[in-house]
Amino acid sequence: EVQLVESGGGLVQPGGSLRLSCAASGFTFSSYWMSWVRQAPGKGLEWVANIKQDGSEKYYVDSVKGRFTISRDNAKNSLYLQMNSLRAEDTAVYYCARDREQQLHYWGQGTLVTVSS
Amino acid sequence: DIQMTQSPSTLSASVGDRVTITCRASQSISSWLAWYQQKPGKAPKLLIYKASSLESGVPSRFSGSGSGTEFTLTISSLQPDDFATYYCQQYNSYPLTFGPGTKVDIK
Repeated sequence: EVQLVESGGGLVQPGGSLRLSCAASGFTFSSYWMSWVRQAPGKGLEWVANIKQDGSEKYYVDSVKGRFTISRDNAKNSLYLQMNSLRAEDTAVYYCARDREQQLHYWGQGTLVTVSS
Repeated sequence: DIQMTQSPSTLSASVGDRVTITCRASQSISSWLAWYQQKPGKAPKLLIYKASSLESGVPSRFSGSGSGTEFTLTISSLQPDDFATYYCQQYNSYPLTFGPGTKVDIK
């Protein structure tokens, strides 16, 4: 069974940093692109970033470029999102998702990031 | 960036109704469109990919159609489990973008 479990969310002050993790199991992690998608409270879905199987290609939405970095460790079956210079508008539930040709095929349960002073 | 719009934003319907949701792209995306269902407090679930292909395990009352810039998601006979919010997503080009969602609630 495919499982994606996010962790690392919490309360952080504006300008601060946070690193999200996603532990994957039930499939060959190294064979799939992976994505982060976020959802602000009461709002719609926003794709944030994705990463190729070997980490050689990464794409980001403009609003996080230069502040967020997606990475992965295939030996640990883990996906990461390093978030720096956080802003109030980054407050959201962050989901990791397994890509299938850029469709988001499986999703984790999400982790809440709150940026507030 | 490709902008996605959906209509209506909210739809009130009864069990057994036929429901249609429309998604439009700001430029042609061929058939590179997916539909998701999301229930409150839960992660989205993939329903339809490549505009009209039904994801494994999804009931056949769900169907998708369209190409280019206009797409539809149809639920042929609405069931109690279908009350949720539905999002379209284009994957023709980066950044991947979602529509704003259509909430289907009980009339």
